[in-house]
Amino acid sequence: ETGVTQSPTHLIKTRGQQVTLRCSSQSGHNTVSWYQQALGQGPQFIFQYYREEENGRGNFPPRFSGLQFPNYSSELNVNALELDDSALYLCASSPFGDSYEQYFGPGTRLTVT
Amino acid sequence: AQTVTQSQPEMSVQEAETVTLSCTYDTSESDYYLFWYKQPPSRQMILVIRQEAYKQQNATENRFSVNFQKAAKSFSLKISDSQLGDAAMYFCAYRSRRRGANSKLTFGKGITLSVRP
Repeated sequence: ETGVTQSPTHLIKTRGQQVTLRCSSQSGHNTVSWYQQALGQGPQFIFQYYREEENGRGNFPPRFSGLQFPNYSSELNVNALELDDSALYLCASSPFGDSYEQYFGPGTRLTVT
Repeated sequence: AQTVTQSQPEMSVQEAETVTLSCTYDTSESDYYLFWYKQPPSRQMILVIRQEAYKQQNATENRFSVNFQKAAKSFSLKISDSQLGDAAMYFCAYRSRRRGANSKLTFGKGITLSVRP
């Protein structure tokens, strides 16, 4: 059983550019959540996907968007990057249902210059 | 909206000693989960322990135990026999069990725990 994987590990982008981050969920998990963790802070919920549909969104602008694919892997897209988007982006997967634990990936460190 | 507060930014403990990390939360809901997560320098968030709000008994997991005070909205983590590998950032988190809610986690700001040899 493979765990949650994310790619790339690190990324440097320029303000105004667009970025795509990828997440492969753990085998058998159909729910994926994305979190943004600024330096020295706790993770903030961006959105969650279940069966390829968005299932809840945090307080993030529309330039943060996502996709989930039939194999339950997911992408996070951020348009018009701003300096404040510099953060660790975490992906977590779980089976659907409130009794299940979320398993986190190692994250993608995004730096916007 | 739910909030989670961790007011101690840093704590230090001697190896083999016991340390308690504090967390308070605010919610109008009666049914929810509370968690403690550990994030070592490798960045991978690892679940340490989980507490269901409807359970009066405090959760324990080997050297880790919680003191859950529902009326006070307090949820502290006790680490016994601290080990060097316990050094990490620890996050308290909340998840609603409200019908129809997604599994969003609300995190505190975290506390950095260092362990002295």
